[in-house]
Amino acid sequence: AQSVTQLGSHVSVSEGALVLLRCNYSSSVPPYLFWYVQYPNQGLQLLLKYTTGATLVKGINGFEAEFKKSETSFHLTKPSAHMSDAAEYFCAVSDHNAGKSTFGDGTTLTVKP
Amino acid sequence: SQTIHQWPATLVQPVGSPLSLECTVEGTSNPNLYWYRQAAGRGLQLLFYSIGIGQISSEVPQNLSASRPQDRQFILSSKKLLLSDSGFYLCAWSNLAGGTEAFFGQGTRLTVV
Repeated sequence: AQSVTQLGSHVSVSEGALVLLRCNYSSSVPPYLFWYVQYPNQGLQLLLKYTTGATLVKGINGFEAEFKKSETSFHLTKPSAHMSDAAEYFCAVSDHNAGKSTFGDGTTLTVKP
Repeated sequence: SQTIHQWPATLVQPVGSPLSLECTVEGTSNPNLYWYRQAAGRGLQLLFYSIGIGQISSEVPQNLSASRPQDRQFILSSKKLLLSDSGFYLCAWSNLAGGTEAFFGQGTRLTVV
């Protein structure tokens, strides 16, 4: 069984500030981990993914995440927030069937001018 | 390149009416196909997935059903809608082996009144 916990349903940052969205997972097998972004009334777009290899993964729009097995975490970061980053972000885990993923409840990111 | 089409974008249906949402994928063969539902303020819940024509697995008991009449076509149906069926429905695909990511359609906003 797998599960995902996203800490903080709402995160607010100022434009130019660090973005940190937290994700902890549980998996009985080595996991695939994903971060997706969703804009209002749209589907999900993949930001980045971890499958194997390097634990620090870089994605689109300047986001990156680090897989920490010992902490069962996969936190998403971006050094400097832009207004266009305002959206909902989902962390997901799968057992190598990427479409059959377990999603967290999402974190809404607000960026203040 | 692969694309996924989902329609309609929005739908308002009375309680007790039937439902048919359609999803098609282009540019790939033998995809795994998935239907997710997203309730307001919540993450995604996997409803159905399919690994081939006529092969449907249901993840949660519910008022909905799914069918896959063609390799790249996935349909979500109901004979009689309930108020609780309201939500945002997302179709997704990954490659046959489960893939390293899932690709999502733009979603259908269903409101049952």
